[in-house]
Amino acid sequence: GENVEQHPSTLSVQEGDSAVIKCTYSDSASNYFPWYKQELGKRPQLIIDIRSNVGEKKDQRIAVTLNKTAKHFSLHITETQPEDSAVYFCAASTGFKTIFGAGTRLFVKA
Amino acid sequence: DGGITQSPKYLFRKEGQNVTLSCEQNLNHDAMYWYRQDPGQGLRLIYYSQIVNDFQKGDIAEGYSVSREKKESFPLTVTSAQKNPTAFYLCASRHISGAGDTQYFGPGTRLTVL
Repeated sequence: GENVEQHPSTLSVQEGDSAVIKCTYSDSASNYFPWYKQELGKRPQLIIDIRSNVGEKKDQRIAVTLNKTAKHFSLHITETQPEDSAVYFCAASTGFKTIFGAGTRLFVKA
Repeated sequence: DGGITQSPKYLFRKEGQNVTLSCEQNLNHDAMYWYRQDPGQGLRLIYYSQIVNDFQKGDIAEGYSVSREKKESFPLTVTSAQKNPTAFYLCASRHISGAGDTQYFGPGTRLTVL
């Protein structure tokens, strides 16, 4: 079936460094790619998204890039802060169904 | 996402019991979803509904049932047929037309089988 692979599963960075999380999707019909941040015991919260007709999108310290040909998309967080520590999920959507990656646990060390 | 509520926050079930998890939204969203999240894992789709009185099975529907009698409500029943129901359950909703495909999540229900 369709799937989304997400790497790495765990990422530890020093405060102020950058963090990059990468995802690969299999369904070429996917046209919407959201990223969610989930803190322990809480609901996933949308932090940024990108559509298939756009190659890059930026929102302050967060950016997402999409390579449709390679079916890759990535999340970039610059100037990381301790409050960025959480689990991040990528997802690929064809409309009604959204497939989520397994998540990346990000630790930002002060 | 503050317009989606789930109850209860914590639920304990004895083996052999059916339990129902509530999900309500006041966002006027058309589509609603149920996901299961196990520790250290991603979200797996249980059921989804695009309109009232209609719903489809997701990837792990066995042992679960749903209903969609009202647009704002999408309760999930975990039946005794679900062999390993201990998990964190998340409900989500989405507006089908207009703004886009973003799903907004409720706060979740943590179900534990005793």
